[in-house]
Amino acid sequence: GQQLNQSPQSMFIQEGEDVSMNCTSSSIFNTWLWYKQDPGEGPVLLIALYKAGELTSNGRLTAQFGITRKDSFLNISASIPSDVGIYFCAGQPHGGSQGNLIFGKGTKLSVKP
Amino acid sequence: DSGVTQTPKHLITATGQRVTLRCSPRSGDLSVYWYQQSLDQGLQFLIQYYNGEERAKGNILERFSAQQFPDLHSELNLSSLELGDSALYFCASSAGGLINSPLHFGNGTRLTVT
Repeated sequence: GQQLNQSPQSMFIQEGEDVSMNCTSSSIFNTWLWYKQDPGEGPVLLIALYKAGELTSNGRLTAQFGITRKDSFLNISASIPSDVGIYFCAGQPHGGSQGNLIFGKGTKLSVKP
Repeated sequence: DSGVTQTPKHLITATGQRVTLRCSPRSGDLSVYWYQQSLDQGLQFLIQYYNGEERAKGNILERFSAQQFPDLHSELNLSSLELGDSALYFCASSAGGLINSPLHFGNGTRLTVT
């Protein structure tokens, strides 16, 4: 089936550093979404992208929908301790139903104060 | 708080048993989705309902079934449970229809099958 390759798998950074993670696929996606999941909770939507080339910010977070429609990245600037968690990319495949999202395996972010 | 409510938060049961997971979507959302999260498979789409009708099916086992009621809440029924069914089960909701409406997830039900 379709898969998303999310990297890196984990990151250990110092507070204040910038972070970058990305997802790639061999297939075209219509929608890219980025979620953050804290222990014991459900994924929380960070950014939704609907058009190829779209660049969207949400506070210190910026995400882009790749021009080829096969990739997306998420940047976090000036990281803080509460950024700790697992970040997931999710995409809606071309031709797929709206809620049938394919999720990446996640990027576990650790921030050292 | 996403506005999506799931109960119970934890469920421990034995193999062969049947359980029901409940979900109340965000106010105004017509679509409900069920996802399974396990360590080895990650988040996997199971099934979607829109305004009471099944809209899409993913990797849902035949032992599993779901429904959405007139008040839009949904239930996921898991039967003949196996050890491998132990996982986090998430419900998500969206406005649905043709508009670009992202999914908002509840906090999940952790199912442990012993």
